[in-house]
Amino acid sequence: AQKVTQAQTEISVVEKEDVTLDCVYETRDTTYYLFWYKQPPSGELVFLIRRNSFDEQNEISGRYSWNFQKSTSSFNFTITASQVVDSAVYFCALSEAETSGSRLTFGEGTQLTVNP
Amino acid sequence: DADVTQTPRNRITKTGKRIMLECSQTKGHDRMYWYRQDPGLGLRLIYYSFDVKDINKGEISDGYSVSRQAQAKFSLSLESAIPNQTALYFCATSDFRTGDRADTQYFGPGTRLTVL
Repeated sequence: AQKVTQAQTEISVVEKEDVTLDCVYETRDTTYYLFWYKQPPSGELVFLIRRNSFDEQNEISGRYSWNFQKSTSSFNFTITASQVVDSAVYFCALSEAETSGSRLTFGEGTQLTVNP
Repeated sequence: DADVTQTPRNRITKTGKRIMLECSQTKGHDRMYWYRQDPGLGLRLIYYSFDVKDINKGEISDGYSVSRQAQAKFSLSLESAIPNQTALYFCATSDFRTGDRADTQYFGPGTRLTVL
């Protein structure tokens, strides 16, 4: 069965610090997809990124970067020079292409607070 | 206008009442989903539908039912609401693409339901 673990329940940093949110997953499939979503205080869920299991290249988008390592079953998310607007709950999610198609399994989420 | 809308946005009801949450989308997506979010548990899938004639149970479907009235509309019903169904409910949509084995899901703004 698929599982996603976000061990950090809450993280608090001061503005301009770098912060990494951890995500560890479990799956028996060889083909799977990983996602990150952001949930700001307003409550909506915002899609950030999707990676497939065959693409281990790290990705950078502005201040956001993602480190995918199959060897450790991790898909970590780093925010560089954090800002107050980054304060949100961040969810990592997994989709097993072979056994569950588009069904997403979410981690418990990490509450990030960026203080001015 | 939002691509995925949910009505109502907030609802307070009493134990035993029947309640319907509605989801509409203008994204033209075939697939629609209902999730609930509870503190510390992330999001869990209730039901999903890959087209109008296809309805599937998710991991926590007991106590819920759904109706896919049209490609753009997917409703979630609580036949007899109970207090532990108090949660934040999200509708999501995704677009099936031939050759792509998992979709990216886009979420509505959520419905906050309280059952007294």
